[in-house]
Amino acid sequence: KQEVTQIPAALSVPEGENLVLNCSFTDSAIYNLQWFRQDPGKGLTSLLLIQSSQREQTSGRLNASLDKSSGRSTLYIAASQPGDSATYLCAVPDINQAGTALIFGKGTTLSVSS
Amino acid sequence: DAGVTQSPTHLIKTRGQQVTLRCSPISGHKSVSWYQQVLGQGPQFIFQYYEKEERGRGNFPDRFSARQFPNYSSELNVNALLLGDSALYLCASSRDSQETQYFGPGTRLLVL
Repeated sequence: KQEVTQIPAALSVPEGENLVLNCSFTDSAIYNLQWFRQDPGKGLTSLLLIQSSQREQTSGRLNASLDKSSGRSTLYIAASQPGDSATYLCAVPDINQAGTALIFGKGTTLSVSS
Repeated sequence: DAGVTQSPTHLIKTRGQQVTLRCSPISGHKSVSWYQQVLGQGPQFIFQYYEKEERGRGNFPDRFSARQFPNYSSELNVNALLLGDSALYLCASSRDSQETQYFGPGTRLLVL
């Protein structure tokens, strides 16, 4: 059974720091991995989707990498800002479901202080 | 274009009651998925529907049911509510059952 783990559970940094969020998964038979952002009490916003054939995806100050063989993905945030404060979730498709059921980690809650 | 919409935004029920949550997908999207997110946890998959047919079901009891209408909107029903059903219920839509999902703002359910 696929399990997704995110470390650390919480992270506090001063504004301007570069930081890395980690995501690990137990079954490497995935065809993509997605990173989401969730503001308190809100829905999810998709940040980056990496196909299994890719190793990296970039969007602005965000860079996500994927290493299927080691079961790991990282989300790199450059020059962090207070507006980046949110919970970041990673998710992989459940290959045991016919559609696109996603299996999520518990998330990393990021706090960026000014 | 409007995103995924869900109603109501908040709901308070008592144990044993029944609840219906509604979701309207992005225009042109034919697949709708439902997730439950308990405080402090990641979302857990409940159902996926595509073209009004159930395409996937998560590990939830039979008290949970859903359906999709001809206009691709969807309802999630939960019967005999338990305190543990208190959660944020998220709906996501996609063009088909294999594509990227876009999430709505969720319905916050509190069971007393």
